[in-house]
Amino acid sequence: SQQGEEDPQALSIQEGENATMNCSYKTSINNLQWYRQNSGRGLVHLILIRSNEREKHSGRLRVTLDTSKKSSSLLITASRAADTASYFCATDAGGSSNTGKLIFGQGTTLQVKP
Amino acid sequence: KAGVTQTPRYLIKTRGQQVTLSCSPISGHRSVSWYQQTPGQGLQFLFEYFSETQRNKGNFPGRFSGRQFSNSRSEMNVSTLELGDSALYLCASSPRDLGGAAKNIQYFGAGTRLSVL
Repeated sequence: SQQGEEDPQALSIQEGENATMNCSYKTSINNLQWYRQNSGRGLVHLILIRSNEREKHSGRLRVTLDTSKKSSSLLITASRAADTASYFCATDAGGSSNTGKLIFGQGTTLQVKP
Repeated sequence: KAGVTQTPRYLIKTRGQQVTLSCSPISGHRSVSWYQQTPGQGLQFLFEYFSETQRNKGNFPGRFSGRQFSNSRSEMNVSTLELGDSALYLCASSPRDLGGAAKNIQYFGAGTRLSVL
């Protein structure tokens, strides 16, 4: 089964508003990543947060991680129409971090209306 | 640097046929991972190759196989295609030689969309 579950499954907002997506996972992790996918194309890495970090920023993105609750959130501030995409959280398989296996959540589809 | 290149972009096959998909990683990346994406199951890990060796395998039947060449290019093969194999197949490369968490970042190609009729 998938490691990460995301909430909400779909989100529709107006340009300029903030968008928040949540991700929960099941087992211990070394790090958690967020990726974006535009309409059936490849995924683009957005941000990585280590298990010993609680918050990380990158431009308009803010990611939090709560390992006690096994959850993470991605906040996109001042959204733009170009942010319309699907967003996925991904965790490593736990244990050794030396693995190329990522476990993805089901994703949140974000629509930003101009 | 050029990104991850997957060929072909689109493929139509019939049940029972076999298919080979190709992936050229970012120059210098020795790790290549493959994923299957479907509307029902989402993104699922198929396998990872590093320096021509399969290091990790997902929960897929033996009809799914792969290999990696000395130049780090990778191919995956699906034999005896079934309707349920219709999916977007994504390849990703990562710089496993780096230290720290950066080695876990994966760089994806645009994918190969396989339709099985």
